[in-house]
Amino acid sequence: QITLKESGPTLVKPTQTLTLTCTFSGFSLSTSGVGVGWIRQPPGKALEWLALIYWDDDKRYSPSLKSRLTITKDTSKNQVVLIMTNMDPVDTATYYCAHKKSGLDYWGQGTLVTVSS
Amino acid sequence: QTVVTQEPSLTVSPGGTVTLTCASSTGAVTSGYYPNWFQQKPGQAPRALIYSTSNKHSWTPARFSGSLLGAKAALTLSGVQPEDEAEYYCLLYYGGAWVFGGGTKLTVL
Repeated sequence: QITLKESGPTLVKPTQTLTLTCTFSGFSLSTSGVGVGWIRQPPGKALEWLALIYWDDDKRYSPSLKSRLTITKDTSKNQVVLIMTNMDPVDTATYYCAHKKSGLDYWGQGTLVTVSS
Repeated sequence: QTVVTQEPSLTVSPGGTVTLTCASSTGAVTSGYYPNWFQQKPGQAPRALIYSTSNKHSWTPARFSGSLLGAKAALTLSGVQPEDEAEYYCLLYYGGAWVFGGGTKLTVL
C-alpha cells in the first residue's frame, strides 16, 4: 500500500532555511503520471498548496511562494525534499506531503514546524 | 491572486442532503479545473474524496458525489451521517498550480 511520511525540524528560527523530507513507499516516482506534492496548514487555518514534482522532474510551485521554494526528488531513495528559505513566524504550520495520481490521493500524517526565535 | 471560495459553514440534519460549493475568482469552474474534494477531521490529515470533478476513490462512501453546479464545483452528501461532520476543502487546478478553497465546516445536528 502507499504510505508517505514527512520528516524535518520541528523548530526553526526566523530567516533560517527549512528542509523537509517526504519518504514514501508503495509506488515509484519514476512511474508515468505520478507526482508528489507538498501542502501546509497553519494552526486553525485552511490548507495551502505549495509545490509538486512529477515523475519526469517537471516542477510546479505556488506563485506566491515560488521565490522561496525548491522541490527535488531522489527516485532511488523514494524521497522528495522541499526547501523553503527565509522562514517567518507566519510559516508556522503542519506540512504534509501527498501522492498524486488520481488527484492528491494519499497523504502523509504531517509534521508541525514552528518558526520562533 | 487567485481565490477559491467555499461556504464557511453549513449545518445539516442526520439523514439529510447538503451541497457544498467551490467558486473561482477567475470565473466559472469547469472540468478543466479538475476539482478535487477532501475531508478533514480534527487532528487528522485530509482524506481525498473526489478527483476530476466527479470521480470517487475506492474508499469514498457512495453518499458523496461531485459535480459542476452552474459556475461552481459541488460536493453533495446524501443521507448524511454523524461521522460526516468535518471540514471539507476543494482544490482547483490553474494550469500548473493548484489552489485550495478556504474550507467549509460541516455540522451535523
